[in-house]
Amino acid sequence: QKEVEQNSGPLSVPEGAIASLNCTYSDRVSQSFFWYRQYSGKSPELIMSIYSNGDKEDGRFTAQLNKASQYVSLLIRDSQPSDSATYLCAVRSNAGKSTFGDGTTLTVKP
Amino acid sequence: EAGVVQSPRYKIIEKKQPVAFWCNPISGHNTLYWYLQNLGQGPELLIRYENEEAVDDSQLPKDRFSAERLKGVDSTLKIQPAELGDSAVYLCASSPTPGYNEQFFGPGTRLTVL
Repeated sequence: QKEVEQNSGPLSVPEGAIASLNCTYSDRVSQSFFWYRQYSGKSPELIMSIYSNGDKEDGRFTAQLNKASQYVSLLIRDSQPSDSATYLCAVRSNAGKSTFGDGTTLTVKP
Repeated sequence: EAGVVQSPRYKIIEKKQPVAFWCNPISGHNTLYWYLQNLGQGPELLIRYENEEAVDDSQLPKDRFSAERLKGVDSTLKIQPAELGDSAVYLCASSPTPGYNEQFFGPGTRLTVL
């Protein structure tokens, strides 16, 4: 079992819809959780971070964390074609090491 | 503010040849990471530096890979000898302090081993 697991997709949604991306992790003592976006041929860029249980909203993006279920998700509201990318979930341990999932590829169709 | 700089951007070599990658982090960033990313997979940590000290190199294949960060600024990652399976994108990232949330990634070096 991988330390950080994501559905590989591809996930396809129509423009304006809500895209839901999911991630589970195995290390119960993980403290910090991140979502990175990676466009094809480009490097990852941070879009959301979350540290406590519940929801965190930033514009069209909402990150959700449930430490008891070891689950973190990213919702993208009013999806745009420019949101088409691979979304990487990353989990950081207390020792400072970040482990990335393999990403979910999202396609938003106009 | 300039971002993380990596060179070269692309490198094609034959197997058994040596290769080196260079990274200059964002000015003032004490933490530097080297990652390997295969197609369709997430970045995998090779080594993490705090200033000039390698604090996590547990995933670095030390029989063929080496890294250094002299003076705690720029860093070099070397592979000798390269194998076919080393073909991947090598990403360098930096952050201001160990506990800082975001890692800022460079553009990467795409290595092809023939």
